[in-house]
Amino acid sequence: KNEVEQSPQNLTAQEGEFITINCSYSVGISALHWLQQHPGGGIVSLFMLSSGKKKHGRLIATINIQEKHSSLHITASHPRDSAVYICAVKRPNTGNQFYFGTGTSLTVIP
Amino acid sequence: ETGVTQSPTHLIKTRGQQVTLRCSSQSGHNTVSWYQQALGQGPQFIFQYYREEENGRGNFPPRFSGLQFPNYSSELNVNALELDDSALYLCASSGDGNYGYTFGSGTRLTVV
Repeated sequence: KNEVEQSPQNLTAQEGEFITINCSYSVGISALHWLQQHPGGGIVSLFMLSSGKKKHGRLIATINIQEKHSSLHITASHPRDSAVYICAVKRPNTGNQFYFGTGTSLTVIP
Repeated sequence: ETGVTQSPTHLIKTRGQQVTLRCSSQSGHNTVSWYQQALGQGPQFIFQYYREEENGRGNFPPRFSGLQFPNYSSELNVNALELDDSALYLCASSGDGNYGYTFGSGTRLTVV
């Protein structure tokens, strides 16, 4: 079983819809990251969380340390949000090693 | 611009050959990690270097090796290429005491 599980695996939404992507993990972590990967491979870091909630534009990320769960929300979704969203956790005392979820492929239809 | 540059962007090799992938990190980023991402999968940790020494390794055989140089560049070398080595290879770097990191855009390796 993967240490990091994401759901859903695939998601199709209409432009303007509110989107939620979930991430659950089974290990102790020092930080959780949400990443965005566009076709072609480049990865962009969206958020780094160790507690609470962060917001950047239309994106909101939350984490519940006790429940070992994080969510990424996209408000007023747009076709340019179409990408794979990956949850990655960093474990304490492992340097820069990340454990990645398999990603959620999001397609936003105009 | 991410500040981390990988080269080449695409590469085709024949089974049994050797390949070297390169990553140029931001100045001051002493930690570099390499990841393999197979199609449809999340990235898998290969190894990590800190100040030119390997200080962490994932479940990859010894034919995957690396080097890190004082100028913040690094290499991933893969010997005796196998078809299953076809993947996107990503490097990520960060500075000391900084959980923030920057990913490169990756090198897509195809082994035929």
